[in-house]
Amino acid sequence: AQKITQTQPGMFVQEKEAVTLDCTYDTSDPSYGLFWYKQPSSGEMIFLIYQGSYDQQNATEGRYSLNFQKARKSANLVISASQLGDSAMYFCAMREGPRGGATNKLIFGTGTLLAVQP
Amino acid sequence: EAQVTQNPRYLITVTGKKLTVTCSQNMNHEYMSWYRQDPGLGLRQIYYSMNVEVTDKGDVPEGYKVSRKEKRNFPLILESPSPNQTSLYFCASSLTSGGHEQYFGPGTRLTVT
Repeated sequence: AQKITQTQPGMFVQEKEAVTLDCTYDTSDPSYGLFWYKQPSSGEMIFLIYQGSYDQQNATEGRYSLNFQKARKSANLVISASQLGDSAMYFCAMREGPRGGATNKLIFGTGTLLAVQP
Repeated sequence: EAQVTQNPRYLITVTGKKLTVTCSQNMNHEYMSWYRQDPGLGLRQIYYSMNVEVTDKGDVPEGYKVSRKEKRNFPLILESPSPNQTSLYFCASSLTSGGHEQYFGPGTRLTVT
């Protein structure tokens, strides 16, 4: 069973507009972490934002925010005021188990390719 | 500068010719791992290491070996590469096995003909 689902293979957004990238997850572990990574065309993986399953507040990092809806098992990434440099592949990932747990394996979704248009 | 480095960045090789992709981190991280990225599949973990001399299989370990003789280095070894190992490979590290951020290397694009 797929643990991380990103249903949008590709998206377009106009520069300066906000965009939401969808991510749903599946786990029976009460303790987990959710991540978003950006992969530009150059190939590197850039960490954007993290949300712990017990965090009360939705995570925010500059123009990035994570819309965490635990009951729906969704962790959508919201990018406000899109810029041309935001054009990239975006991956949602999950780590099962608590911090300090036995493994730090990340389970990745298949990614969403975002294109920001001028 | 804190970083994870991988070498080589690009490699084209032939079936059966043993190769090693090196990974090194300068952050004194305990946890290191290897992922491969394939179109439509995202990233999948190959092997991981909790600390020196402690390694274990990830989700797709077949055809790969690793070693962790020093804390900073975690090489990925393909004893007899095959075309289905053509992929983009990432090394990642984090402070501990639960640190919430993993730092990724720049990636190694491997083609096996």
